[in-house]
Amino acid sequence: DAKTTQPTSMDCAEGRAANLPCNHSTISGNEYVYWYRQIHSQGPQYIIHGLKNNETNEMASLIITEDRKSSTLILPHATLRDTAVYYCIVRVSAGNNRKLIWGLGTSLAVNP
Amino acid sequence: DGGITQSPKYLFRKEGQNVTLSCEQNLNHDAMYWYRQDPGQGLRLIYYSQIVNDFQKGDIAEGYSVSREKKESFPLTVTSAQKNPTAFYLCASSITSGSDTQYFGPGTRLTVL
Repeated sequence: DAKTTQPTSMDCAEGRAANLPCNHSTISGNEYVYWYRQIHSQGPQYIIHGLKNNETNEMASLIITEDRKSSTLILPHATLRDTAVYYCIVRVSAGNNRKLIWGLGTSLAVNP
Repeated sequence: DGGITQSPKYLFRKEGQNVTLSCEQNLNHDAMYWYRQDPGQGLRLIYYSQIVNDFQKGDIAEGYSVSREKKESFPLTVTSAQKNPTAFYLCASSITSGSDTQYFGPGTRLTVL
């Protein structure tokens, strides 16, 4: 079962900031939050990840709350090419077996 | 260009036939993964390999087999034992099995008629 909760869908106007929320209330202290996106019929693309501090790269910013129970991915100036499904993921570890749990993600539609 | 290639992009097979999906990477990554994605669903892990000549079952390994004879190659065979093989198959790799930053190929859409 997925350990994260995301809205099913969101809309954003082109040029505006897209703020995608994610709840991960059961996250462990050493688990990172990862964000990937998947454009229709393509392979997922890594966006960003973080542990405690806010992170920024050329694609996006990641804001993690102080209690680490939720985070927000920010696309500062959304374009039509940012239309995709965005996955918020935390890692599950069981002994030596570790894996990413992929939920259903948020389908972001960027509108002209 | 470094990356992951999967071929073919679209594949059609008759029911009861085994089919092998190709995955090649030139990123020098140790770990490789196979996922299955059904319409409107997230990714589910089929098999993964942490190093050459080693692989482990994921969540839905039944009806699938893999090999890892070379670092750069991780082919997936969908056998006739897989009851519902029609799906989008994604291959990924990461620097090591301890890295959660995975890089994905473009996927192969398999349709069994």
